[in-house]
Amino acid sequence: DAGVTQSPTHLIKTRGQQVTLRCSPKSGHDTVSWYQQALGQGPQFIFQYYEEEERQRGNFPDRFSGHQFPNYSSELNVNALLLGDSALYLCASSLALTGTGNTIYFGEGSWLTVV
Amino acid sequence: GESVGLHLPTLSVQEGDNSIINCAYSNSASDYFIWYKQESGKGPQFIIDIRSNMDKRQGQRVTVLLNKTVKHLSLQIAATQPGDSAVYFCAGRGYNKFYFGSGTKLNVKP
Repeated sequence: DAGVTQSPTHLIKTRGQQVTLRCSPKSGHDTVSWYQQALGQGPQFIFQYYEEEERQRGNFPDRFSGHQFPNYSSELNVNALLLGDSALYLCASSLALTGTGNTIYFGEGSWLTVV
Repeated sequence: GESVGLHLPTLSVQEGDNSIINCAYSNSASDYFIWYKQESGKGPQFIIDIRSNMDKRQGQRVTVLLNKTVKHLSLQIAATQPGDSAVYFCAGRGYNKFYFGSGTKLNVKP
């Protein structure tokens, strides 16, 4: 049973560029959330996708956008990269949008460095 | 606003001792909590969870305690081992989103 998988694992981008990160959820999961984790900090919620639509959003600018595909996989896009966007980007998957006790499982993350 | 925070940034324990990591949350509507372990360079790994209608839950060598009155939860690790060295996060769910604290680094001394 595959867990949450993310790609790429590491990448370096230049300020102003755009980046796309990819995530495949755990088998059987239909909800994908993205988190940004700066060094020495806890993960910060970016947004959540369910049924191919953005359902929840954290306090992140419109430069951060996403997409969910019919197979539940997801992409995170960041435009006009800033140095402060350098972080570990984590994808988490879960089953269904509502209900108690729906554990979220994380992938290993994509390390983004903006130079 | 939403916040989940930890009392101590670093905790050092002797191998074999018990560890207690604490976490406070602000949203009384939080209905579900998870503890994660994150090793260097890796994603958070699920340890144990607890629903708000419970005050204690036990796993293998780990116990989570929830005190809703003071909005506090703790993670107890029995017989701490070197492999337990990592950063531990608590996460609380509120308004269908999870909020994380900044983490506690657990150092296990041999």
